[in-house]
Amino acid sequence: DAGVIQSPRHEVTEMGQEVTLRCKPISGHNSLFWYRQTMMRGLELLIYFNNNVPIDDSGMPEDRFSAKMPNASFSTLKIQPSEPRDSAVYFCASRRTGQYNEQYFGPGTRLTVT
Amino acid sequence: AQTVTQSQPEMSVQEAETVTLSCTYDTSESDYYLFWYKQPPSRQMILVIRQEAYKQQNATENRFSVNFQKAAKSFSLKISDSQLGDAAMYFCACAYDSNYQLIWGAGTKLIIKP
Repeated sequence: DAGVIQSPRHEVTEMGQEVTLRCKPISGHNSLFWYRQTMMRGLELLIYFNNNVPIDDSGMPEDRFSAKMPNASFSTLKIQPSEPRDSAVYFCASRRTGQYNEQYFGPGTRLTVT
Repeated sequence: AQTVTQSQPEMSVQEAETVTLSCTYDTSESDYYLFWYKQPPSRQMILVIRQEAYKQQNATENRFSVNFQKAAKSFSLKISDSQLGDAAMYFCACAYDSNYQLIWGAGTKLIIKP
């Protein structure tokens, strides 16, 4: 069984540019999470989808951040325009509701905004 | 509020020896699950072990085992026969049936001395 897939693994961009991060959850999982991890703030939940519907986006820091899940096998996190303080590792995780509530993480995308 | 506390920012152990990482949590929920995740330098968040709160028996996965003390709200991770590959950040987390979120501890950095 393939794990959670994220792309790109690394992204370097200039301030003001649009950044799109992609995630493919584990097949059969119906919940998807986007996290951001920094040294200063640790692991932060940005948004949670259940059955492709955004349930909680209270962690999305600003209107510059948006996330979509058009189908059960694909999600994107977009930052427009990007700023240096957005530099972080972004993780996507998925789970099957009721399966112990454990989440399986992708390898992460390291974003650097210069 | 539901919280997870890891009081050891850093631990070190000699290769082949045993180390125990501490975790305490606070909840009024009756149904919950506890997890230990490992994050090596590669950044991948890897699920190490899971414990269901309704089970009295401590979970074991090869060299990894937990000491689950429900009354004390304690969930420590024991790593036996430590290996260099065990060097990582270890995060304790808790999930509830009533809530989709994982509540995370701050993490413990484990150093393995050769």
